[in-house]
Amino acid sequence: GQQLNQSPQSMFIQEGEDVSMNCTSSSIFNTWLWYKQDPGEGPVLLIALYKAGELTSNGRLTAQFGITRKDSFLNISASIPSDVGIYFCAGPTLGTGNQFYFGTGTSLTVIP
Amino acid sequence: DAGVIQSPRHEVTEMGQEVTLRCKPISGHDYLFWYRQTMMRGLELLIYFNNNVPIDDSGMPEDRFSAKMPNASFSTLKIQPSEPRDSAVYFCASSSSGTSGRPFFGPGTRLTVL
Repeated sequence: GQQLNQSPQSMFIQEGEDVSMNCTSSSIFNTWLWYKQDPGEGPVLLIALYKAGELTSNGRLTAQFGITRKDSFLNISASIPSDVGIYFCAGPTLGTGNQFYFGTGTSLTVIP
Repeated sequence: DAGVIQSPRHEVTEMGQEVTLRCKPISGHDYLFWYRQTMMRGLELLIYFNNNVPIDDSGMPEDRFSAKMPNASFSTLKIQPSEPRDSAVYFCASSSSGTSGRPFFGPGTRLTVL
């Protein structure tokens, strides 16, 4: 099936630093979703993007739908310890409607 | 409103045994997904249903895996016989076509096959 590539694979940062991660696909997506997964839990939706070029914020999180529709970016400003977790991008390929594929994930560690 | 409910949360079984995982989607959602998560392969879509009908099961790894959705509020994923390589976390998620299809995940079932 479709696989989305996320980078970096893991990040170790100091509390207070900003974080940037991205997701790329070989196929065009019409929706991009960003999820966070805490240890032992299921992924939780953070941000949803529906239009190329769209920039959406949710508190300290900002995500962008790439112009080419084959990539998306997530930024976290002023990181705090509770930002620790695995961040996934996801989306349906064009024409597959609700069939959502997930990225490989970016593991974030915040050092107090 | 309750989220997606999965049971059991943890399952330990021996190779060759039958395993049944259960899911109750969010009320009113018309899509249901089964995902498997492993370190090596990440989150893999196994199968998904729309209005209780299986739409795409191309992600089901082999014939040992089967999934059913007898009604809008219940689905099962069955592995028979189970093998150690089936050890993973299995997630059920549901979504509504009326909310742009964003999947909401359950807490997962951690399966260990000895």
